[in-house]
Amino acid sequence: EDQVTQSPEALRLQEGESSSLNCSYTVSGLRGLFWYRQDPGKGPEFLFTLYSAGEEKEKERLKATLTKKESFLHITAPKPEDSATYLCASPGPGANNLFFGTGTRLTVIP
Amino acid sequence: KAGVTQTPRYLIKTRGQQVTLSCSPISGHRSVSWYQQTPGQGLQFLFEYFSETQRNKGNFPGRFSGRQFSNSRSEMNVSTLELGDSALYLCASVGPGTGGEQFFGPGTRLTVL
Repeated sequence: EDQVTQSPEALRLQEGESSSLNCSYTVSGLRGLFWYRQDPGKGPEFLFTLYSAGEEKEKERLKATLTKKESFLHITAPKPEDSATYLCASPGPGANNLFFGTGTRLTVIP
Repeated sequence: KAGVTQTPRYLIKTRGQQVTLSCSPISGHRSVSWYQQTPGQGLQFLFEYFSETQRNKGNFPGRFSGRQFSNSRSEMNVSTLELGDSALYLCASVGPGTGGEQFFGPGTRLTVL
């Protein structure tokens, strides 16, 4: 059965303290691995799509990487405004059906 | 370019009632997917519409239904509401020529009493 598992469930960082979030997937025939950010009470905001092992993408303080079994979201020198829940997802069967992990709730303390 | 819009933003209903939620995708996007988000189950796929046709359906009971209009706007309906239907309902649109990235609306918060 296809699965997407995120860890840790929650992460508290001091401002400037870099860290990584993990997304492990067991999906046959991966057709992309998506990262989203979600603020409380809002819809998820698209961050990155990764398609093949070794691929990396960056946006401001965030960098996403992909291996054959997992993806990492590296956060460098985070700021309080980076506090959010970060979700990863892989395409499920059929069209435009994303299978989401349960997310990592990140809190950055000033 | 305007984003995905959803109405209403908040709804309070009682058990047994039915509810209709609306979603307008980004202009030019013809695919609309719906998701249910709860603290216990996270984000779960409900169904997807493209050109007024349901192409894909998640594992939800038949009380959950939807449709799409010729202008790509979509509605979802939940009949005979149960307490467990309380959730944030999100819709997302996908445009042509993209990598399948879904762009989400702000959601409708449904509370069933």
